[in-house]
Amino acid sequence: DAKTTQPTSMDCAEGRAANLPCNHSTISGNEYVYWYRQIHSQGPQYIIHGLKNNETNEMASLIITEDRKSSTLILPHATLRDTAVYYCIVRPVNSGGSNYKLTFGKGTLLTVNP
Amino acid sequence: ETGVTQTPRHLVMGMTNKKSLKCEQHLGHNAMYWYKQSAKKPLELMFVYNFKEQTENNSVPSRFSPECPNSSHLFLHLHTLQPEDSALYLCASSQAGGTSHEQYFGPGTRLTVT
Repeated sequence: DAKTTQPTSMDCAEGRAANLPCNHSTISGNEYVYWYRQIHSQGPQYIIHGLKNNETNEMASLIITEDRKSSTLILPHATLRDTAVYYCIVRPVNSGGSNYKLTFGKGTLLTVNP
Repeated sequence: ETGVTQTPRHLVMGMTNKKSLKCEQHLGHNAMYWYKQSAKKPLELMFVYNFKEQTENNSVPSRFSPECPNSSHLFLHLHTLQPEDSALYLCASSQAGGTSHEQYFGPGTRLTVT
C-alpha cells in the first residue's frame, strides 16, 4: 500500500473550516484516497473517498491535487463533535484479493475548540 | 448507528477463560473484518472473511479463532489470552466487489485481560 503522511494534530475553532492535509506522494494511478475518522472510544467512520476529481458529500469535501500526490479533507463548519482522529488511506481500485484491505496509520487528531 | 453491532461492549476475562465476541451486520454486505486497536497504536487488521471464506489471517496468534457462519455474523473466539491482548476489538463489514469498498465499523468491544 502507498504510504500517507499526516500531521499528528491540528486545532480548529468551532464554526470555522477545518482543512486536514495528507501527503501520498507514491500513490499509484489505480489507487483511491479514502478518509475515515474515529471519535474517542468509537469505531472508525467512513467520510469520503476519491480518485482524481474533487468530491463533496454531506460530511465533507475532498480536494485532490492534479498530480494526486496530496489531498485535503475539508470540514466546512467544524463543530465540537468533529473532534476525532482523521485517517487518510490509499488503496487500490480493483476488487478481489487483498484490495479491500485498509491500512490505518496514526492519523491526525483534530481538536475543535469552542 | 452504522448497521454493525458488537456484543459485549466491555469484557473482562482471566487468562484461563474462554470467551467469544460477536458481530452482526444488517447492511447486506458480504465481507467482514476483525481489527485490533491497542492503546496508542494504529488499527491492526486481524482477519478478513469474504463470502464466509477466510481470505486473510494477518499473522494472528492461534489463541484468537474467528468464525463466520454466514455473511451477517462474525465471531472471535478467545482462549488463554495474555494481558497484552487487552485492546479495543472492532468489527467491520463492506460490500466486496465493485470499486468502492467503504467499510462500516461497529462500536467495538473493550477487552481487558487480567
